Amino acid sequence: TQLLEQSPQFLSIQEGENLTVYCNSSSVFSSLQWYRQEPGEGPVLLVTVVTGGEVKKLKRLTFQFGDARKDSSLHITAAQPGDTGLYLCAGVYSGGGADGLTFGKGTHLIIQP
Amino acid sequence: NAGVMQNPRHLVRRRGQEARLRCSPMKGHSHVYWYRQLPEEGLKFMVYLQKENIIDESGMPKERFSAEFPKEGPSILRIQQVVRGDSAAYFCASSPLAGGKGGYTFGSGTRLTVV
Repeated sequence: TQLLEQSPQFLSIQEGENLTVYCNSSSVFSSLQWYRQEPGEGPVLLVTVVTGGEVKKLKRLTFQFGDARKDSSLHITAAQPGDTGLYLCAGVYSGGGADGLTFGKGTHLIIQP
Repeated sequence: NAGVMQNPRHLVRRRGQEARLRCSPMKGHSHVYWYRQLPEEGLKFMVYLQKENIIDESGMPKERFSAEFPKEGPSILRIQQVVRGDSAAYFCASSPLAGGKGGYTFGSGTRLTVV
């Protein structure tokens, strides 16, 4: 069973601050995805990273895939209240298997105005 | 181009009744996945289907739960003789590629409450 550990579990910061959340696994993933979920809704895909060391930017969000493809980070610059939500990482295990994505438990992020 | 459509959004069932959850994938997506989400537990994989075939049901309880994705119509997740522990949000996702590599598009979920 592949496990994705996300940290911190909860994070509450003031508007304008920077933050980083982490996603770690003991398994190698062929690709890793980040989703954001708002209350009462399904997760929405933010980004997919595939290559070890890859960095992708989405406005104020920067996503990095670890060199060994076992971990990833999400950095938010100048956080805004609209960034509030549950951030989930999900990996496609490189060993294959038909079940697709394995999800972490997520980081609950609250940005206070 | 509608996204993944799930209905109903909310479903209340008494213990012992049956719950039927429906999911219509995005147009052009032939891979459907069902997940269950409980507070503080994250999304748990249940079953992966393609048209008329169950590809992987390793996450689905052996008793009372079944899923199908017929040639015509939506995918259905059926829970027979519901118990209080079945209360959860059930999400359906679809993808154009096998194994989730292309990313999933999720529906808004069905929140099942067993009373």
